[in-house]
Amino acid sequence: GQNIDQPTEMTATEGAIVQINCTYQTSGFNGLFWYQQHAGEAPTFLSYNVLDGLEEKGRFSSFLSRSKGYSYLLLKELQMKDSASYLCAVRDSTGGFKTIFGAGTRLFVKA
Amino acid sequence: EAQVTQNPRYLITVTGKKLTVTCSQNMNHEYMSWYRQDPGLGLRQIYYSMNVEVTDKGDVPEGYKVSRKEKRNFPLILESPSPNQTSLYFCASSWGAGPNEQFFGPGTRLTVL
Repeated sequence: GQNIDQPTEMTATEGAIVQINCTYQTSGFNGLFWYQQHAGEAPTFLSYNVLDGLEEKGRFSSFLSRSKGYSYLLLKELQMKDSASYLCAVRDSTGGFKTIFGAGTRLFVKA
Repeated sequence: EAQVTQNPRYLITVTGKKLTVTCSQNMNHEYMSWYRQDPGLGLRQIYYSMNVEVTDKGDVPEGYKVSRKEKRNFPLILESPSPNQTSLYFCASSWGAGPNEQFFGPGTRLTVL
C-alpha cells in the first residue's frame, strides 16, 4: 500500500535550523515533493527529489534516501514567515500517476 | 499571469443538489488534478488527468466525476452531494506527471447541509 508519515507539529526559534522528516511506503516511487502551505492558502512548491542526495535551494534543502523510504526538509535561518504547514508528497507510478500527500507538519516559529 | 483559477471559492449547498466546481489553467499544462483537504488527513487526490480525454481515479474518487474535454479545463462534478463531501477542494496542474511541480488553485470551500 501507500503511506506517508511526518510529524504533526514542530516548534523552532527564529534564526535556528529545523529538520522535518518524512517516511514513505510506495510500490512505484516516481519522485518526492515538498510543499509549503500557509493557513487558509493554497500549497506552494518548495522542492523535488527523484535521486538520492541533497537538493539545495536557498534557505531550503531537501534530502532523499530511496532505499530507506526517507526524506527530510531542512530550513535554515528560520524566519517568522516560515510558520506554516509543510507537506511531503510522493508521486506513485503504479497503475498511473497518483500523487499521495502526507498529513503535513505544522511548524511554529517563535521569537 | 500564469495561474490556476477555481470557481466558486465558497459554496453552501444541500444534500442531493448537483454542483460543478470549475478549474482552469493558462499554462498549457498536461497534468491536472483535484484534491480534497480535511483536518488531520491532509490532501487526498480525487481524480487526475494526464491529458485531454484521459482521466483516472485517485485515492478518494467515490461520489465525484470529472471530465477533460479541453486542455485548460478540468471541472469537478458532484452529482448528488452528501455532508461527508464538505471539505476544502484544490485543483492543481503541472507540465506532466514526472518531476514537475504542481501549481495549485486558490481552493473552494464546500459545505453540504
